[in-house]
Amino acid sequence: GAGVSQSPSNKVTEKGKDVELRCDPISGHTALYWYRQSLGQGLEFLIYFQGNSAPDKSGLPSDRFSAERTGGSVSTLTIQRTQQEDSAVYLCASSLESSGGVETQYFGPGTRLLVL
Amino acid sequence: SQQGEEDPQALSIQEGENATMNCSYKTSINNLQWYRQNSGRGLVHLILIRSNEREKHSGRLRVTLDTSKKSSSLLITASRAADTASYFCATDFSGTYKYIFGTGTRLKVLA
Repeated sequence: GAGVSQSPSNKVTEKGKDVELRCDPISGHTALYWYRQSLGQGLEFLIYFQGNSAPDKSGLPSDRFSAERTGGSVSTLTIQRTQQEDSAVYLCASSLESSGGVETQYFGPGTRLLVL
Repeated sequence: SQQGEEDPQALSIQEGENATMNCSYKTSINNLQWYRQNSGRGLVHLILIRSNEREKHSGRLRVTLDTSKKSSSLLITASRAADTASYFCATDFSGTYKYIFGTGTRLKVLA
């Protein structure tokens, strides 16, 4: 079936503008993750959604960042009043729910955000 | 602080040679996974090894896990130019769903 999709693939915005990044997980996957990857760096955990549970927002770097997941499927990551340091690739991943711990995550292609 | 740290940060080898990358972590885990990333975009899952396993194979990949040393290694045998990519290990904090990725090893296989 279809994999994780993200849109847009690239986004250029001006400092101070708001941006919305979208993630469509694999159908049936109840867990959804957002990560941020700066150039040449590893992945930085941002937020985690699992079913109907309250999301884990512990990785969000500031209150300018927020995310929601509607109907347990599509997720939107919103960055308000963007700053140049927000420039990065934003990756979304989904996985099946597991009681035994974290399972394989399937990643989308990412959204490359550039804040001028 | 990073849960997973890969070593070396960069590796350059000739096609046909074996490539070994290492990952160290700090806390107890349920499992450890290796991912590959091409051109700074989406990651591709390679292999998962659970905390009660010591070695797993998948094609030309061999992963070992030493929980006493809190370390794992990824071996790619008979490397190909197409193996050129960044390789990341990812570990979960035991009992949680949170995945922490290391900074990666950049592998370059020269034809």
